[in-house]
Amino acid sequence: DQQVKQNSPSLSVQEGRISILNCDYTNSMFDYFLWYKKYPAEGPTFLISISSIKDKNEDGRFTVFLNKSAKHLSLHIVPSQPGDSAVYFCAASRYSGGGADGLTFGKGTHLIIQP
Amino acid sequence: GAVVSQHPSWVICKSGTSVKIECRSLDFQATTMFWYRQFPKQSLMLMATSNEGSKATYEQGVEKDKFLINHASLTLSTLTVTSAHPEDSSFYICTIRGMNTEAFFGQGTRLTVV
Repeated sequence: DQQVKQNSPSLSVQEGRISILNCDYTNSMFDYFLWYKKYPAEGPTFLISISSIKDKNEDGRFTVFLNKSAKHLSLHIVPSQPGDSAVYFCAASRYSGGGADGLTFGKGTHLIIQP
Repeated sequence: GAVVSQHPSWVICKSGTSVKIECRSLDFQATTMFWYRQFPKQSLMLMATSNEGSKATYEQGVEKDKFLINHASLTLSTLTVTSAHPEDSSFYICTIRGMNTEAFFGQGTRLTVV
């Protein structure tokens, strides 16, 4: 049973436009959410996170929105750049675990930025 | 953020042999490290939680006798794949959790069993 779902395996966006990556979760115990970017044959790189006490967190070109009632979060990248082409993973954990919990990942969305 | 070094980055081994993967936390004392596995086009799946000075905690379906984890110090955890078989071929990644609970990942190890 997939507790974190990324329903779009791939997404193609034109350079300069906004990229929106979506993620849904089912476990109501999750209260901390993260986005990672991954290139082939490399470990994921942390991008941005959000705790359940917030509904928005912004860092440069990256903004994450959280809708707790819908159990949905999204990552917005604006403007999209060619270097953003990668696989993006949504992950969730229980912050109350104090860092002692592993992360539950979605299957990832392959973002392709077209020139 | 914390720096995590994982070695080797790729390894090819014969079926039936054992392979050891090292994960080092270079600037953070990690009492807990996590090992993940990723099959092609699949998500990262948590295999086990490695606890310094005690036994690892394995996720359901992960054979503890096959995937031996040793966390002997605050900066080193090792994963040994024993008697490897082709179905163990995968991408193995370790992580540590930082103070703000974000996870820092090693570079990953691509294991191919032939």
